[in-house]
Amino acid sequence: SQKIEQNSEALNIQEGKTATLTCNYTNYSPAYLQWYRQDPGRGPVFLLLIRENEKEKRKERLKVTFDTTLKQSLFHITASQPADSATYLCANRGSTLGRLYFGRGTQLTVWP
Amino acid sequence: DAGVIQSPRHEVTEMGQEVTLRCKPISGHNSLFWYRQTMMRGLELLIYFNNNVPIDDSGMPEDRFSAKMPNASFSTLKIQPSEPRDSAVYFCASQEPGTAGANVLTFGAGSRLTVL
Repeated sequence: SQKIEQNSEALNIQEGKTATLTCNYTNYSPAYLQWYRQDPGRGPVFLLLIRENEKEKRKERLKVTFDTTLKQSLFHITASQPADSATYLCANRGSTLGRLYFGRGTQLTVWP
Repeated sequence: DAGVIQSPRHEVTEMGQEVTLRCKPISGHNSLFWYRQTMMRGLELLIYFNNNVPIDDSGMPEDRFSAKMPNASFSTLKIQPSEPRDSAVYFCASQEPGTAGANVLTFGAGSRLTVL
């Protein structure tokens, strides 16, 4: 089965800095990788999807990169704000269509 | 659209009791997923349906768990009998047709289950 690793359980940064979160996967090389945001007491919310033929994807202050050689995705939040504080999950599909595997998440805290 | 609707939001029950969690997916979405989230194991896929048919239930822990989707607008996840180790947040998620290749999911707010 697919294994997703987010190697930081928690990340604390100062407002205005760039937050960088890492997601590594093993086994099956996915056609795409997704990032979700989860706030306490709520379900994950989809943020971005990047396909294997895309090196980089941007959405406002968010940037995602995908390196299929390293089997790694990096998720960046530029000019971070306290409102960006949340848990961020990466996910990708294994070899079985329909199954989406999630990492454990990285809890980001942005302090003023 | 009200999004994916789950009920109850919180449930506290005693070991051995039956628990039924409910989900109403987004209208028009043809795939529905049940996930369980714990601190130890993160988000785990339990089962998913496509066009009301169970496709993959390999994540269902054991026979105490069962899920049904009698129609396109309703699904249940039942635990009978419940055990303390079933305590977790259970999420339902739906996916719109035509996006199977990308698996983008819309989650409900979750049902927090505590089994004493």
